[in-house]
Amino acid sequence: DAGVIQSPRHEVTEMGQEVTLRCKPISGHNSLFWYRQTMMRGLELLIYFNNNVPIDDSGMPEDRFSAKMPNASFSTLKIQPSEPRDSAVYFCASSFPSDSSSYNEQFFGPGTRLTVL
Amino acid sequence: GNSVTQMEGPVTLSEEAFLTINCTYTATGYPSLFWYVQYPGEGLQLLLKATKADDKGSNKGFEATYRKETTSFHLEKGSVQVSDSAVYFCALSDLAGNNRKLIWGLGTSLAVNP
Repeated sequence: DAGVIQSPRHEVTEMGQEVTLRCKPISGHNSLFWYRQTMMRGLELLIYFNNNVPIDDSGMPEDRFSAKMPNASFSTLKIQPSEPRDSAVYFCASSFPSDSSSYNEQFFGPGTRLTVL
Repeated sequence: GNSVTQMEGPVTLSEEAFLTINCTYTATGYPSLFWYVQYPGEGLQLLLKATKADDKGSNKGFEATYRKETTSFHLEKGSVQVSDSAVYFCALSDLAGNNRKLIWGLGTSLAVNP
């Protein structure tokens, strides 16, 4: 398996522009997570989906951020309009089904490094 | 609420030195505990885990024991290598309400010199 695939790997944009980050989870995984990593705040969970349904979006910073998962093999994280403080590495992770009494490993993609000028 | 506290880095060691990275947690219920590792330019990957008190997780020479009495899950390795240079994250998962979130520490950067 190719693992979790993210695109683009690097994105440089100007303040005010729309940014769309893409993620393809591992086939058969039914949970998908979007994280943001910065030096100041560490690793933050933005949102996660279970069976394509958003379960917890309490980490989404503000209305400028939105995430969708139209099917089991694709998700997007959109920032509109982007701001310099959004500069970070954004990770997507997926995990396979488990029952309520156990936890399954999260598999991370390589990340998208976003720079907003 | 649940939280994880890791020792601050960076940690710099010479090759073959003994490594300890401290991790303590606060949680309700009976969380599972994890160590993830992030090599330069890559995403995080699971290093080891423990799901109940007194369990010992181990992988690649690293070990950590789930200590409920001290609410700790310290990462240890007897002899580090240059290739162990990475950022290490402690995390916990509370499965209450079928939650699949992980609570993350801030990460500890390790640099191993030859």
